[in-house]
Amino acid sequence: AQTVTQSQPEMSVQEAETVTLSCTYDTSESDYYLFWYKQPPSRQMILVIRQEAYKQQNATENRFSVNFQKAAKSFSLKISDSQLGDAAMYFCAYRSGYGGATNKLIFGTGTLLAVQP
Amino acid sequence: DGGITQSPKYLFRKEGQNVTLSCEQNLNHDAMYWYRQDPGQGLRLIYYSQIVNDFQKGDIAEGYSVSREKKESFPLTVTSAQKNPTAFYLCASSLGGLGQFFGPGTRLTVL
Repeated sequence: AQTVTQSQPEMSVQEAETVTLSCTYDTSESDYYLFWYKQPPSRQMILVIRQEAYKQQNATENRFSVNFQKAAKSFSLKISDSQLGDAAMYFCAYRSGYGGATNKLIFGTGTLLAVQP
Repeated sequence: DGGITQSPKYLFRKEGQNVTLSCEQNLNHDAMYWYRQDPGQGLRLIYYSQIVNDFQKGDIAEGYSVSREKKESFPLTVTSAQKNPTAFYLCASSLGGLGQFFGPGTRLTVL
């Protein structure tokens, strides 16, 4: 069974600085997707960034980028120029690429990010 | 606007009552999901549906039931058999590998 581990329960960053959130996963599959979701105090889950396992290039969305190390099964999220609105719980998630009954997301336990002014 | 709506935002249930949480999407997504989130924890999958009139149990389906009579709608019923229903419930939908998109959630509290 696949698992997702986020080893940092809480992180803190100064406004305008850069922070990296860690995520590791375990799978025997070769085709899969990885995601980072943000959950602000409103509690709505917002998709931040996605990565297909077959793509070697790291995904980037504005100030958010990932460092995808497939062999190490590592998928970290880098937030550049941190803003107060980035304060939230961040979840890493895995999804099998084989479709069918395995379309479900497997979530890590989350990292609570605080942004200091 | 395209999106996922959940209602109500807050729901209170008395012991022994069944309650139904609504989830509607106009994204034309085939798959829909229900998750439960407890304080300080990640999301756990309750049920999911990949097509109309078909649904599958997730990891914590006991005490819950769903239906999928329309593509746009995936209501969740929390039955009296669910012994600890107080939680935050999130509905999501997806299309292929684009990732799941979530509704705003329903906070259920047992009185």
